[in-house]
Amino acid sequence: GESVGLHLPTLSVQEGDNSIINCAYSNSASDYFIWYKQESGKGPQFIIDIRSNMDKRQGQRVTVLLNKTVKHLSLQIAATQPGDSAVYFCAENGGYQKVTFGTGTKLQVIP
Amino acid sequence: ETGVTQTPRHLVMGMTNKKSLKCEQHLGHNAMYWYKQSAKKPLELMFVYNFKEQTENNSVPSRFSPECPNSSHLFLHLHTLQPEDSALYLCASSLAGQGNTEAFFGQGTRLTVV
Repeated sequence: GESVGLHLPTLSVQEGDNSIINCAYSNSASDYFIWYKQESGKGPQFIIDIRSNMDKRQGQRVTVLLNKTVKHLSLQIAATQPGDSAVYFCAENGGYQKVTFGTGTKLQVIP
Repeated sequence: ETGVTQTPRHLVMGMTNKKSLKCEQHLGHNAMYWYKQSAKKPLELMFVYNFKEQTENNSVPSRFSPECPNSSHLFLHLHTLQPEDSALYLCASSLAGQGNTEAFFGQGTRLTVV
């Protein structure tokens, strides 16, 4: 079946450094991708999205890169802060409201 | 606050109990979802409602019964659950029929079946 997977389950980053979280997807028909952040005890929170007609999108301190050739998605967080510590999920929308989530990467920021 | 509210936040129930989870949103969204989040597993989509009509049932056992009385409220009725049903149950909402848009999640109900 279709799947969305994350390369690393845990990522430790020094405060102030940049973080890169990677995600591979397998559904070549997916046309919309989303990154979510989930803090302990909370539901997932939208960070940034990108449509398949783009290869890069920037937000505030975050950038999402999409490589459709290798079906790879990444989330870059600039100047990582302690408040960025959370689990990050990528999600793909392969059809009408059929959103598939990855297992998540835990980001630990070291002060 | 995401605008999606779930109650209760925590629930412990026996396998013979009947309970209900509640979700409400006042974001003007017309699609609502139930997800199950288990440890070390991806979020699993359970049910989708568009304009109060169920449009997706992702092979969920009948001991989970959703109800959507209007576009702002969504319930998940639980009965005769199993311990493996213990998980975080998340409700989400979004705009339907507007192309791809992100879903807004509630904080979830942490369910423990004993």
